[in-house]
Amino acid sequence: KQEVTQIPAALSVPEGENLVLNCSFTDSAIYNLQWFRQDPGKGLTSLLLIQSSQREQTSGRLNASLDKSSGRSTLYIAASQPGDSATYLCAVNGGSGGSNYKLTFGKGTLLTVNP
Amino acid sequence: EAQVTQNPRYLITVTGKKLTVTCSQNMNHEYMSWYRQDPGLGLRQIYYSMNVEVTDKGDVPEGYKVSRKEKRNFPLILESPSPNQTSLYFCASSTYAGSLTHEQFFGPGTRLTVL
Repeated sequence: KQEVTQIPAALSVPEGENLVLNCSFTDSAIYNLQWFRQDPGKGLTSLLLIQSSQREQTSGRLNASLDKSSGRSTLYIAASQPGDSATYLCAVNGGSGGSNYKLTFGKGTLLTVNP
Repeated sequence: EAQVTQNPRYLITVTGKKLTVTCSQNMNHEYMSWYRQDPGLGLRQIYYSMNVEVTDKGDVPEGYKVSRKEKRNFPLILESPSPNQTSLYFCASSTYAGSLTHEQFFGPGTRLTVL
């Protein structure tokens, strides 16, 4: 059964700092990995999707990497801003044992960027 | 605008009173899914649908029903709600599930309280 772990659970940084969020998964037979952002009481916004054949994806100040063989992904946020404060969720699509049709989510990293 | 919509956004009900949460997408997506989000447990899949008239159980299907009579709609039905179904519910949709580019888009969420 696929399991996804995110470290740290919470992170507080001063504005302008570069930061890294970590995600690990137990089953490397995935189709892809998605990073989401969730604001309090709100829905999920897809930030980046990395296909299993890719090593990284970039969107603006965000860069996500994927090392499928070791079961790890990182989300790098450059020059953080208070508006980046949110919960960041990592989710993997697929894995052996018939889990190809759902996302398995980590529990998220709560990021606070202080002005 | 491409989007997934859910209704209602907030609902307070009593034990045993049947309810339906609607989900609709305007992106012509084949795949749709329901998740619930609970503190400490993260997001877990309830049911999913690969296409019209094709549905299957996710990780936590007990107490829920779904139907997929039209491609754009995927309602979640609670025949006899109980307090342990108090949760934040998300509907998601995407293109064909078995592809590397299977990226899921989420609705805004429905906060359900069962008294």
